[in-house]
Amino acid sequence: DTEVTQTPKHLVMGMTNKKSLKCEQHMGHRAMYWYKQKAKKPPELMFVYSYEKLSINESVPSRFSPECPNSSLLNLHLHALQPEDSALYLCASSQVTSGGARNEQFFGPGTRLTVL
Amino acid sequence: GEDVEQSLFLSVREGDSSVINCTYTDSSSTYLYWYKQEPGAGLQLLTYIFSNMDMKQDQRLTVLLNKKDKHLSLRIADTQTGDSAIYFCAEYREDFGNEKLTFGTGTRLTIIP
Repeated sequence: DTEVTQTPKHLVMGMTNKKSLKCEQHMGHRAMYWYKQKAKKPPELMFVYSYEKLSINESVPSRFSPECPNSSLLNLHLHALQPEDSALYLCASSQVTSGGARNEQFFGPGTRLTVL
Repeated sequence: GEDVEQSLFLSVREGDSSVINCTYTDSSSTYLYWYKQEPGAGLQLLTYIFSNMDMKQDQRLTVLLNKKDKHLSLRIADTQTGDSAIYFCAEYREDFGNEKLTFGTGTRLTIIP
């Protein structure tokens, strides 16, 4: 199984709603990532989890709250978002190595989020 | 900071070769990648090149790397309609054991029948 799954595929929410995005992988990867991709732009890294611990937060506003409850799951909790947060949110996973060894990040299909 | 730059658009006739160019920023990048993104989909890794190589061939794909100029290119031979997509180059940096990818601005490849 070399697949990263994300749910839901599409999400429309109001600025006062609370919602969550989910990501799952069963490849035994211990690094998981959230990216945000605005229309016609490249993906931008938001968070990295390594061994279920948050290792990188790219100065993301606190209205985005990541969670990694176990090695297969990654969530992104959303609260009080703004219309400019509308984007495609991509999850990825990879092995964790060091010393310059190459890791491939496997990407999910993304959740297209619209904030009204 | 500097962006990883790519041309925004490329149109190619079916059966011709496509060449997508990328100028990256970090001369210490260990690996450079090419990803493909079809409409509404995630990213698919196409190929990569290690920084001590200057060329890599993988079936219809040829990657050329010029480290001196920080220039990377992807050549797709015999371009087909299924190659229509956005192509992103990405440079790899290691940050405390985590792989950080910085993506280029993306090139939309359109195939003309």
